[in-house]
Amino acid sequence: QVQLQLWGAGLLKPSETLSLSCAVYGGSLTGYYWNWIRQSPGKGLEWIGEISQSGSTNYNPSLKSRVTMSVDRSKNQFSLNLSSVTVADTAVYFCARRPDGLDFWGQGKTVTVSS
Amino acid sequence: EIVLTQSPDFQSVTPKEKVTITCRASQDIATRLHWYHQKPGQSPKLLIKYASQSIPGVPSRFSGSGSGTEFTLTINGLEAEDAATYYCHQTSLGPLTFGGGTKVEI
Repeated sequence: QVQLQLWGAGLLKPSETLSLSCAVYGGSLTGYYWNWIRQSPGKGLEWIGEISQSGSTNYNPSLKSRVTMSVDRSKNQFSLNLSSVTVADTAVYFCARRPDGLDFWGQGKTVTVSS
Repeated sequence: EIVLTQSPDFQSVTPKEKVTITCRASQDIATRLHWYHQKPGQSPKLLIKYASQSIPGVPSRFSGSGSGTEFTLTINGLEAEDAATYYCHQTSLGPLTFGGGTKVEI
């Protein structure tokens, strides 16, 4: 059974960089897109972007200027950096695997941006 | 960007009832439409992929239909554990997008 474990800082100040990583257990990075999704308090789901095991990326244009994704094949994990955060970036962040739909998800990480 | 519009926003139902949720896409997405539900404090869970394909381990009371711009998720014989928010999601064209959600309350 594939498991995704997500970690990173949970409290940031405005203008800092959000950094999250997601480790994949029980499966390979190969053959899938690895996604980041967020959910603002009480709101719906927003797609941030995705990366393949080869490093090919697709980003949401609304966040593209601030997003960087990377993959570490040796550690079987992938990462998200979101720069210049504001309070609007406060959300629960999820990582997920996409072969077609998003079939395996990490547990979610609450990230709060506050001065 | 492809906009997905779900209806209704909220539905209050009783156990064993049949529930139908609709998702309309702003342009043709063929069958690249997937359904999830999310319970409070949990990650979303994939219920149906490619509009109508079942997922191993998901109860057979969940089914999907549609293509193009109109899609339906049906729950036949709702159970108490199905109380959740339901989302549709398209992977036809970037950026990937989600519907606004339908909250199903028992």
